[in-house]
Amino acid sequence: DSGVTQTPKHLITATGQRVTLRCSPRSGDLSVYWYQQSLDQGLQFLIQYYNGEERAKGNILERFSAQQFPDLHSELNLSSLELGDSALYFCASSVARTLRSTDTQYFGPGTRLTVL
Amino acid sequence: LAKTTQPISMDSYEGQEVNITCSHNNIATNDYITWYQQFPSQGPRFIIQGYKTKVTNEVASLFIPADRKSSTLSLPRVSLSDTAVYYCLVGDPRDDKIIFGKGTRLHILP
Repeated sequence: DSGVTQTPKHLITATGQRVTLRCSPRSGDLSVYWYQQSLDQGLQFLIQYYNGEERAKGNILERFSAQQFPDLHSELNLSSLELGDSALYFCASSVARTLRSTDTQYFGPGTRLTVL
Repeated sequence: LAKTTQPISMDSYEGQEVNITCSHNNIATNDYITWYQQFPSQGPRFIIQGYKTKVTNEVASLFIPADRKSSTLSLPRVSLSDTAVYYCLVGDPRDDKIIFGKGTRLHILP
């Protein structure tokens, strides 16, 4: 158990809809990272928040947005969903402010999103 | 960020030692090598990190030759539960980026 929690575990929705994924980081971690993992694309970094502020952006679509709240939990909002958005979405947390591969990230169990 | 190349997949048997090699020909002086493990339907988990020579922990060993253009993750006496995807990452502590790639899918057979 990494200490990172994500809800819901599974989510099934229809095209055009909007969903919110939630993540609670490990106690003491200020950074939250969101990743998307689809079968053909591997693990893709989306966005990072550090202590409530956006810190780094990766391959995140404009239809997607995220925020980190004062209690440090984070939400990833996905809107105008398309079939291609079906994927596993992981949240990770770290004590580090950075996005470096040298700083250990702790991953949650993921949310499996299915868009029908 | 230095690019890495790993085998797409590997098969091995229970009780064997498994070595997964990662090539990083363009590794820079300040780059470290980090490995993550991802079990099916779970998030990746940090395994080991090193800069040169050999690093060992309770899970694995990491061998890095003098030229650092490759590294080998060694898993001793694997079991079925070691079936996972293993990711090799190379990055500079000063470089604010992370790239996981597609990793190596290791399948352990009984």
